[in-house]
Amino acid sequence: AQSVTQLGSHVSVSEGALVLLRCNYSSSVPPYLFWYVQYPNQGLQLLLKYTTGATLVKGINGFEAEFKKSETSFHLTKPSAHMSDAAEYFCAVSEKGNKLVFGAGTILRVKS
Amino acid sequence: GAGVSQTPSNKVTEKGKYVELRCDPISGHTALYWYRQSLGQGPEFLIYFQGTGAADDSGLPNDRFFAVRPEGSVSTLKIQRTERGDSAVYLCASSLDRSSYNEQFFGPGTRLTVL
Repeated sequence: AQSVTQLGSHVSVSEGALVLLRCNYSSSVPPYLFWYVQYPNQGLQLLLKYTTGATLVKGINGFEAEFKKSETSFHLTKPSAHMSDAAEYFCAVSEKGNKLVFGAGTILRVKS
Repeated sequence: GAGVSQTPSNKVTEKGKYVELRCDPISGHTALYWYRQSLGQGPEFLIYFQGTGAADDSGLPNDRFFAVRPEGSVSTLKIQRTERGDSAVYLCASSLDRSSYNEQFFGPGTRLTVL
């Protein structure tokens, strides 16, 4: 069975600082990987996804993630944090048939 | 265009009661998914439909939970004899089809509270 581990349930950064949210996965088949963001009182929104091809994936709002097969990782980064990035972020892996297996989430706090 | 909608947005019920949660997917999306998100956790898969049929219901916790999608569009998640442990946010998502690379679009969820 596939699984996802997100290191750090809470991450705090200063505005303008680098954002790094960690995600490691377990999968017996080549994975499809996703990052979703959840703003307060809103639904999950897709940030980016990796399916095949280029391992560095760019998403919305300046976020990107790199698929590293050797490290079974798919960490999410953004060079410069903005106050509006404060939200909860979920990493997910897709199992056969497209059901998603999510990590527990990381709450990002951005300090002014 | 309209996204995935879910009704009600909040539902408070008493232990032992029956509840129905509704999901309206994006028009034209053939795949529909239900997830449950408990406090402090990520969403957990419950069931998904391809068209009218339940293609995978392996995530349903027990036989008190049941879901239907009779016309291949709107879906209803039904919970019988609710228990306090059923309290969670129930999320619905839809996608064009069941392909693993297709984005799932999520609704805002229904927050269920069982007293």
